Amino acid sequence: AQSVTQLDSHVSVSEGTPVLLRCNYSSSYSPSLFWYVQHPNKGLQLLLKYTSAATLVKGINGFEAEFKKSETSFHLTKPSAHMSDAAEYFCVVRPGGYQKVTFGIGTKLQVIP
Amino acid sequence: DVKVTQSSRYLVKRTGEKVFLECVQDMDHENMFWYRQDPGLGLRLIYFSYDVKMKEKGDIPEGYSVSREKKERFSLILESASTNQTSMYLCASRLPGPNTGELFFGEGSRLTVL
Repeated sequence: AQSVTQLDSHVSVSEGTPVLLRCNYSSSYSPSLFWYVQHPNKGLQLLLKYTSAATLVKGINGFEAEFKKSETSFHLTKPSAHMSDAAEYFCVVRPGGYQKVTFGIGTKLQVIP
Repeated sequence: DVKVTQSSRYLVKRTGEKVFLECVQDMDHENMFWYRQDPGLGLRLIYFSYDVKMKEKGDIPEGYSVSREKKERFSLILESASTNQTSMYLCASRLPGPNTGELFFGEGSRLTVL
């Protein structure tokens, strides 16, 4: 069985300050991990993915995430928040070779001018 | 540019009505999915299809059925809509195989059942 825990349902940062969105997972098999972003009234868009290559993964719009197996974590970071980053972010786990994925409940990021 | 299109962005239906939600993808993907999204619950899988005429129940299939007659189209059917099916419905598609993973999403269909 697999699960995903997003540790914060809401995060608020000031524009220009760092962003940290936390995600912990559990998986019976070597997982693939993903972060998706959803802007209001839109579908989800892939930010980045980890599929057992480099543990530090770079994504779009300056986001990156580090896979830490010992901590079962896949936290999403960005050095400097922009107003356009305000959205909801979902961490997703897919156990190796398995069809189904599991979504976290999401973290809403608010960026204050 | 890849595209997943959901035919209706907003629908309002009455309790007991039959509801069809249509999804079309232009990427020749074998796998297609229907999720519902509710605040505080994230995305929950209703049904998925790994090829034409194939379907498998997800985590919350009760009250829903699906149809996949053509590769590019995956329909979600609510036989008799109820108020607890008021939600945002998201369709997604993906290439098959253990090393692929990215889901491509439509923009969603927001259904209100009165």
